[in-house]
Amino acid sequence: NAGVMQNPRHLVRRRGQEARLRCSPMKGHSHVYWYRQLPEEGLKFMVYLQKENIIDESGMPKERFSAEFPKEGPSILRIQQVVRGDSAAYFCASSPRQENNYGYTFGSGTRLTVV
Amino acid sequence: DAKTTQPNSMESNEEEPVHLPCNHSTISGTDYIHWYRQLPSQGPEYVIHGLTSNVNNRMASLAIAEDRKSSTLILHRATLRDAAVYYCILIGGGTSYGKLTFGQGTILTVHP
Repeated sequence: NAGVMQNPRHLVRRRGQEARLRCSPMKGHSHVYWYRQLPEEGLKFMVYLQKENIIDESGMPKERFSAEFPKEGPSILRIQQVVRGDSAAYFCASSPRQENNYGYTFGSGTRLTVV
Repeated sequence: DAKTTQPNSMESNEEEPVHLPCNHSTISGTDYIHWYRQLPSQGPEYVIHGLTSNVNNRMASLAIAEDRKSSTLILHRATLRDAAVYYCILIGGGTSYGKLTFGQGTILTVHP
């Protein structure tokens, strides 16, 4: 039973390019959550998605960032026109349903470096 | 969500028990107490969670005060692999699903 899979593990982009980060939730999980960890800082919630729906995007930057979780395939976090400040570790977690009596499983993350 | 307070750092020796405290004096009745840890260069790892009663699992024990205003994560025999940042997080119902608020956490150092 594979855990939450994220790829790529490391991603290097030049300023102005696009970054696409993928997250495959655990089998049977239809809820995905994205977090960002800037260097030397704590993790910050970005967005919560259910299949084909954005439930809570209160932590997403207003520009250049978007997320989707299609009916088929992984969840995608997309960053357009990346800047140096986007360099961070991006983690996703998944759950089978909406509840807080549940221990969330996180992926190993994608480390984005913008040069 | 209610706020939690943890010591910045703690130290332990290998094979000794470790008690990591967390204060959450403004906890509400529906808030679950979760603990996660993050090893260097890895994603957060779920450790344990509870609501009112003490909880045990293969990784740790969670002792919750009777008034729920504090809790303690107990690692019964620390190993070098337990060196990590430990986060105590309150998660309420309503619109907080999956929206964990990670504070500074406690940096645990384990000495051989």
